[in-house]
Amino acid sequence: NAGVTQTPKFRILKIGQSMTLQCTQDMNHNYMYWYRQDPGMGLKLIYYSVGAGITDKGEVPNGYNVSRSTTEDFPLRLELAAPSQTSVYFCASSYSGASAQYFGPGTRLTVL
Amino acid sequence: RKEVEQDPGPFNVPEGATVAFNCTYSNSASQSFFWYRQDCRKEPKLLMSVYSSGNEDGRFTAQLNRASQYISLLIRDSKLSDSATYLCAVNDNDMRFGAGTRLTVKP
Repeated sequence: NAGVTQTPKFRILKIGQSMTLQCTQDMNHNYMYWYRQDPGMGLKLIYYSVGAGITDKGEVPNGYNVSRSTTEDFPLRLELAAPSQTSVYFCASSYSGASAQYFGPGTRLTVL
Repeated sequence: RKEVEQDPGPFNVPEGATVAFNCTYSNSASQSFFWYRQDCRKEPKLLMSVYSSGNEDGRFTAQLNRASQYISLLIRDSKLSDSATYLCAVNDNDMRFGAGTRLTVKP
């Protein structure tokens, strides 16, 4: 099993551009999550999903959108990128809401 | 008060030392607990779950104290490769991560 995979690994965006961060898991997990982690800081939850077709906001959803059309995929969309969105983005999945989360390798995003 | 708190460190210890980290949580209804390890510029990786009776995995021991609302991680015989940031995670309907404790093991 590959676990949780994310693409791209790195990306530089200009202010106002848009992009989609891809996340795929092959563990048949129902729950998936998107976090951002700023340098030296903890994880902040952006959005999460408890199953295909169901998504909900986390702590810092502004400027982002998600969709969950399949169990495996949970893309994160950035619209109108801003310098404040410069961060490392981690996708994670878990079997249930109470079980351990497994993280992808992250996408390092810089907005200039 | 933060929902999950950790001493940020850094903890600087010599090889072979024993080091312990604590993580306090505010919600007494929290149900599941975990320790993660995060290397620089990498993703958090599950180190171990924390069970009510305490559990051990090699040099690592995790314990839960529900009365005082904290979990702990003990690392015995520290290795250079143990240098990392250790995150605790506590679930109370939502998974809440601590900001991490940084450990550096020196020769």
